[in-house]
Amino acid sequence: GENVEQHPSTLSVQEGDSAVIKCTYSDSASNYFPWYKQELGKRPQLIIDIRSNVGEKKDQRIAVTLNKTAKHFSLHITETQPEDSAVYFCAAREKSPNKLIFGTGTLLAVQP
Amino acid sequence: NAGVTQTPKFQVLKTGQSMTLQCAQDMNHNSMYWYRQDPGMGLRLIYYSASEGTTDKGEVPNGYNVSRLNKREFSLRLESAAPSQTSVYFCASSEASGGASTQHFGDGTRLSIL
Repeated sequence: GENVEQHPSTLSVQEGDSAVIKCTYSDSASNYFPWYKQELGKRPQLIIDIRSNVGEKKDQRIAVTLNKTAKHFSLHITETQPEDSAVYFCAAREKSPNKLIFGTGTLLAVQP
Repeated sequence: NAGVTQTPKFQVLKTGQSMTLQCAQDMNHNSMYWYRQDPGMGLRLIYYSASEGTTDKGEVPNGYNVSRLNKREFSLRLESAAPSQTSVYFCASSEASGGASTQHFGDGTRLSIL
């Protein structure tokens, strides 16, 4: 089955800097890659996603890139703000009906 | 529009007790999921239901059972709770379609087993 690895496990940046979180996946048939943000004590919420027929997608300060050949995808956050501090999870969708396999998460701390 | 509602929010059990975690969604979604979240382990799928009337095992199904009661409700049962099942449990739902669709999560149930 699918296996998703996520790095780094923790990331500390200064406010205004950029942050990059990277994930790799094992199943070349996976075709959907969402990113979730989870604030402390809250539910995970989708922030951006990308499908396998697209190489890059942007939404204001966040972007996701996908390299299907290398089987990795990355989340990029520019001009980070303290409210970006949270745990971020990547996921890959297995070919079986809409089942997501999650990475282990990255704790992002944005220092003011 | 409440989205995905989980009850209870917190629960403390003794080893060997049983309990059922409830989940309901009001988005008319076909697929529902149960995850557990442990520190450093991310979200791991316990069971899922691709559509009403079907259930399948996920990555960590041992010690759990599920029931898809109807399209709205998907419950998770611990028959004989063990300390290793101390975790935060999330229910999620999504539309079932030919393409990928977003999973919407509930607020979670924080379960401690002594």
